[in-house]
Amino acid sequence: QVQLQQWGAGLLKPSGTLSLTCVVYGGSFSGYYWSWIRQPPGKGLEWIGEIDHSGTTNYSPSLKSRVTISGDTSKKQFSLNLTSVTAADMAVYYCAAFGVGGSGFDYWGQGTLVTVSS
Amino acid sequence: SYELTQPPSVSVSPGQTARITCSGDALPKQYAYWYQQKPGQAPVLVIYKDSERPSGIPERFSGSSSGTAVTLTISGVQAEDEADYYCQSADTSDTYVVFGGGTKLTVL
Repeated sequence: QVQLQQWGAGLLKPSGTLSLTCVVYGGSFSGYYWSWIRQPPGKGLEWIGEIDHSGTTNYSPSLKSRVTISGDTSKKQFSLNLTSVTAADMAVYYCAAFGVGGSGFDYWGQGTLVTVSS
Repeated sequence: SYELTQPPSVSVSPGQTARITCSGDALPKQYAYWYQQKPGQAPVLVIYKDSERPSGIPERFSGSSSGTAVTLTISGVQAEDEADYYCQSADTSDTYVVFGGGTKLTVL
């Protein structure tokens, strides 16, 4: 079974950079695509981007200019950086694992509430 | 950019059948997935590859696909099924992931 544990700063100032990290316990790092997904309060899910075990990334077109996702296979962890944050970036951020066989987002982190305030 | 469209809300009485639809132009080419989310919790996968049910998900949850629409069906709805449901798929080039806007299922 795969477990995801995420951490990072929960309070940011406008124009700052959001940084979150997710560590993978159990399972194979090469068996999944590793994604970041966010959910503003009271709103729906928004996919931010993903990385695979080889370091290949894909990003949401709407966030691509501000997002970087990186991974460390040896540590079985991956990270999200989102620059120039505004109040619109306030959300619960989840890391999640999508099986390479198309099994869906099987596993999710516990979520991190990120607040942007001066 | 590519979008998936869901109704904002669906209401059913206990024991009835709930159907939640999701439409998108790429759905004939891309699999759809469904997630259940209860307040304060992370989403849970209930259907993958249009109609497959993960282990541990009750048999009353089923999925189907027809053209540019997919449907999540919950037969014999129970009070515990009250939640938000999201469809998810990918664009035609399989480059990025998309979620529908979500449907709030209310059990009357």
